[in-house]
Amino acid sequence: DGGITQSPKYLFRKEGQNVTLSCEQNLNHDAMYWYRQDPGQGLRLIYYSQIVNDFQKGDIAEGYSVSREKKESFPLTVTSAQKNPTAFYLCASSIGPRTGGYTFGSGTRLTVV
Amino acid sequence: AQKVTQAQTEISVVEKEDVTLDCVYETRDTTYYLFWYKQPPSGELVFLIRRNSFDEQNEISGRYSWNFQKSTSSFNFTITASQVVDSAVYFCALSNIKAAGNKLTFGGGTRVLVKP
Repeated sequence: DGGITQSPKYLFRKEGQNVTLSCEQNLNHDAMYWYRQDPGQGLRLIYYSQIVNDFQKGDIAEGYSVSREKKESFPLTVTSAQKNPTAFYLCASSIGPRTGGYTFGSGTRLTVV
Repeated sequence: AQKVTQAQTEISVVEKEDVTLDCVYETRDTTYYLFWYKQPPSGELVFLIRRNSFDEQNEISGRYSWNFQKSTSSFNFTITASQVVDSAVYFCALSNIKAAGNKLTFGGGTRVLVKP
């Protein structure tokens, strides 16, 4: 079945460490997105990519980095510069601009210990 | 810039009561999509509906119904005869059809608690 796989489901990080969240899709979608969700709040866009080897900052990109070397993969690195990384991270994909269709992964819950 | 506001942070009802979730949006674009998603405790987002800005017809799907009014920039969601399984966080979202990136802007979410 086609879909988005995020791993791991739970992740613990020590302060000052970088950590990478995985997002893989087998839907052949061109566009991919990373959202952050804090408790009791909505989702905010971190980064998005419309095509391989290209990505743009979203609303809260500071302290994060991404890469898009393959169409299927859009990993997110939470760097030590991110001052408050504890959150729930959701990855999504869409066929492309103006399609209005999105598929979401099941999320990764990151906790800084 | 675009914005989605869900003024109700939490709604608590008793099973079989109806519940309406409000969603107000702001956008300068004339062509856009509106969405509702359900987020159960497991965390994934479950797609409920997508509405094109050109289609103002209300929609009903089982116990769910949606009222789209462009005049008031609202896209409200009603659950009729609520059930315990409806307990979740519900998000309203907006994407501008012609904007680069096809990005979704979410409201803050409304937590619905249905008590037996």
